[in-house]
Amino acid sequence: DQQVKQNSPSLSVQEGRISILNCDYTNSMFDYFLWYKKYPAEGPTFLISISSIKDKNEDGRFTVFLNKSAKHLSLHIVPSQPGDSAVYFCAARMGGSARQLTFGSGTQLTVLP
Amino acid sequence: DAGITQSPRHKVTETGTPVTLRCHQTENHRYMYWYRQDPGHGLRLIHYSYGVKDTDKGEVSDGYSVSRSKTEDFLLTLESATSSQTSVYFCAISGGSPFNEQFFGPGTRLTVL
Repeated sequence: DQQVKQNSPSLSVQEGRISILNCDYTNSMFDYFLWYKKYPAEGPTFLISISSIKDKNEDGRFTVFLNKSAKHLSLHIVPSQPGDSAVYFCAARMGGSARQLTFGSGTQLTVLP
Repeated sequence: DAGITQSPRHKVTETGTPVTLRCHQTENHRYMYWYRQDPGHGLRLIHYSYGVKDTDKGEVSDGYSVSRSKTEDFLLTLESATSSQTSVYFCAISGGSPFNEQFFGPGTRLTVL
């Protein structure tokens, strides 16, 4: 049973437009959420995170929103650029654990020029 | 970038042979992790370590063992490789940062024939 779900395997957007990637989770004990970006043949790289006590965190073109009541988080990229084309993973951490993360299955974002 | 290397980067082996993958870090981080990445599953935790000689199982630990005799090295061993262990393996480290993000190595592509 997947505790972190990314229901859209792929997403295509035009350059300059907004990209919205979604993630749902089932475990209310998760207290920290992260987004990673992965290019082919490379390891994932950390992008942005949010604590469960917040509902929004912004870093440049990237904003993460957390809706705890819906157990839903989203990553907004504005404006989207062709270099943003990658697989995006959301991840969640259980409070009190040895920093273990549970990952979603990923969404392939393609930004079209 | 965090100093994490993985070796080998690619390996082809036969069913039933033992395989050891190495993760080396230069960041002196306390926590180290082994994940596997498979299509449709994202990243799944195999084993992790929270200190020298301190390790624990993750979500998909069957068929794998680990050892950590030094802070900088974390070894993943497949005692008798099976075709279901064909995957891309990532090592990650964490520690020092209060924000709990993990930093990933470049990955090892393992093919078991």
